[in-house]
Amino acid sequence: EPEVTQTPSHQVTQMGQEVILRCVPISNHLYFYWYRQILGQKVEFLVSFYNNEISEKSEIFDDQFSVERPDGSNFTLKIRSTKLEDSAMYFCATERERTRDTQYFGPGTRLTVL
Amino acid sequence: QQQVKQSPQSLIVQKGGISIINCAYENTAFDYFPWYQQFPGKGPALLIAIRPDVSEKKEGRFTISFNKSAKQFSLHIMDSQPGDSATYFCAASKIGNTGKLIFGQGTTLQVKP
Repeated sequence: EPEVTQTPSHQVTQMGQEVILRCVPISNHLYFYWYRQILGQKVEFLVSFYNNEISEKSEIFDDQFSVERPDGSNFTLKIRSTKLEDSAMYFCATERERTRDTQYFGPGTRLTVL
Repeated sequence: QQQVKQSPQSLIVQKGGISIINCAYENTAFDYFPWYQQFPGKGPALLIAIRPDVSEKKEGRFTISFNKSAKQFSLHIMDSQPGDSATYFCAASKIGNTGKLIFGQGTTLQVKP
C-alpha cells in the first residue's frame, strides 16, 4: 500500500535556527497539507498546497513558515527562526483528488526546540 | 464556529463492549465528517467517514451515527478489542474548500482484555 513518508523522524534544534521538514507524497497525489500536533493536544491545520500555490493557511502559519515543492516530488515545510512553542509533531498529509475521501497522513516529524 | 468538540477525553471499555465517542460542530457548512485513528508514534489514519446526506454508515465493527439537526455525530465501536486501543479524532471539512480538516480534541480509548 502506498504511503506518505517524512524525514527526519525527530529533529532537535536550538531556538532561532532554521529547520526544514520533508515529506514525500504518494506519487499520484496532487493536494498537500501540513498539520501539527502539540503533545497531548489535537491535530491543527497549518497549510494546504495545490498546483504550487498555497490554497489556505491558518493563523499559526505566519511569516516564519513557508512551504514548497522544489523538485516536483518532495514537499517541504520550512520554519525560518524556530521558537520554543514550535515544538510539536508535524504531519504531512496528501490527497489524490478534492473529493476528500482520504487524506493520507505521514508518520510525522517530532520537532524539539531547545 | 470552526470548532469541533469531542468527548469523552478518555474511555476505558472491557473487551467485547461498545465504545462510543461523540462529536459536535457548529458550522453548518461542514459536509464531510471523518474519524481518524492514531496509534502512538504514528500519524492519524482514516477509519471511516460520513457525509450529511445519510444518518448512519457502518464498516465492519465501526459505525458513524450522524444527527444533522443536532449537529452531532458519533463513532460506535462494537465488540471492542484490545487492538482498538488508540486515540480517536473526529474531524470536519467543507466540500469545495481547500480540504482543511478541523479536528476534535481526541479520545484515548483503552480496551481491557
